[in-house]
Amino acid sequence: TQLLEQSPQFLSIQEGENLTVYCNSSSVFSSLQWYRQEPGEGPVLLVTVVTGGEVKKLKRLTFQFGDARKDSSLHITAAQPGDTGLYLCAGEGYNFNKFYFGSGTKLNVKP
Amino acid sequence: NAGVTQTPKFRVLKTGQSMTLLCAQDMNHEYMYWYRQDPGMGLRLIHYSVGEGTTAKGEVPDGYNVSRLKKQNFLLGLESAAPSQTSVYFCASSLQGRSYTFGSGTRLTVV
Repeated sequence: TQLLEQSPQFLSIQEGENLTVYCNSSSVFSSLQWYRQEPGEGPVLLVTVVTGGEVKKLKRLTFQFGDARKDSSLHITAAQPGDTGLYLCAGEGYNFNKFYFGSGTKLNVKP
Repeated sequence: NAGVTQTPKFRVLKTGQSMTLLCAQDMNHEYMYWYRQDPGMGLRLIHYSVGEGTTAKGEVPDGYNVSRLKKQNFLLGLESAAPSQTSVYFCASSLQGRSYTFGSGTRLTVV
């Protein structure tokens, strides 16, 4: 059973479209991170959100942490082919600095 | 600045064989982790270490052992490989348990 559920699992869109990826759990997390992973490489950290309700922007990417600290979303505006990759969310448990990863959303942006 | 280096990058083992995966980091990070990534499962924590000489079990530790004799190195051992251990293995490190830096992975096939 996955502690963090990501949806959708797969997303294929045209360049210029907007999209939102969701990360949901029944557990509360002290912080939540988003990573992007390209084929043959390890995940690369995009952002960490810590406060419930927090919104962070990274160029065309907007990240939000749910008020109850159980869920998060990633919104991409005007997607580009360079955004293609596997997007992973990871929640930090309260017991120790361990992160639990979701199964990921595979995004393909077609030119 | 190499970051996190994993060796080897690829390996094929026969069932019952043993091997050691090496992870080296040059960032003076205290925490190190071993994850496995399987399709549809995301990243699952195998073992982790909070400092030189310490190790602890993660979510899926069975069949694996680890050692952290030097701060910069974290070794993952498979004593008797099984086909269920076919996976991509990622090592990560962090300074204070929050911002992870991942290696580029080791793709292991057990036949």
